[in-house]
Amino acid sequence: GQQVMQIPQYQHVQEGEDFTTYCNSSTTLSNIQWYKQRPGGHPVFLIQLVKSGEVKKQKRLTFQFGEAKKNSSLHITATQTTDVGTYFCAVTAYSSASKIIFGSGTRLSIRP
Amino acid sequence: NAGVMQNPRHLVRRRGQEARLRCSPMKGHSHVYWYRQLPEEGLKFMVYLQKENIIDESGMPKERFSAEFPKEGPSILRIQQVVRGDSAAYFCASSPGAPGETQYFGPGTRLLVL
Repeated sequence: GQQVMQIPQYQHVQEGEDFTTYCNSSTTLSNIQWYKQRPGGHPVFLIQLVKSGEVKKQKRLTFQFGEAKKNSSLHITATQTTDVGTYFCAVTAYSSASKIIFGSGTRLSIRP
Repeated sequence: NAGVMQNPRHLVRRRGQEARLRCSPMKGHSHVYWYRQLPEEGLKFMVYLQKENIIDESGMPKERFSAEFPKEGPSILRIQQVVRGDSAAYFCASSPGAPGETQYFGPGTRLLVL
């Protein structure tokens, strides 16, 4: 079956440092979405990537979809304390379009 | 435009009781998804429903769990004879169309089984 791996599981950074989380799939993806969940909160949609090699930016956040549409990354430049939370990727594969599968998430904590 | 609503927000049950979780999708959304999240873990897909139909229940335990999304009213996730291992946060999400579209999550129901 399809597998989604997200790394790292945890990341603890100094405020102002950069942060990157990676999402890797065993199968070619139709699209990938990224969500953020604050501690005690619920997942909130950040962005969707559809095209091979696509790069999208939201202020300090940069999202990238791999050329082979099997992996993606989320990069945060100059982290702030408001970035704290867990970042999930969510994938839809061509082979199983009725299901969206969430990665295990990367939990980001920040030292002020 | 109200977001996805879930109630109750917190639910305490004793072992053997039933838990009934409700989800009202965003207006205009006909696709509903239920996820379970254990503390410090990711989201585990349970079931995907459209109005009056279960599309994919591959993530749902075969026993004690059931879900419905009737023509009128909220979607309901029902857990019979709860056990301690059922304690988790249960999130509902809705989308206007197919699973590849953005999912909007509700605030979740935190279930605690004593």
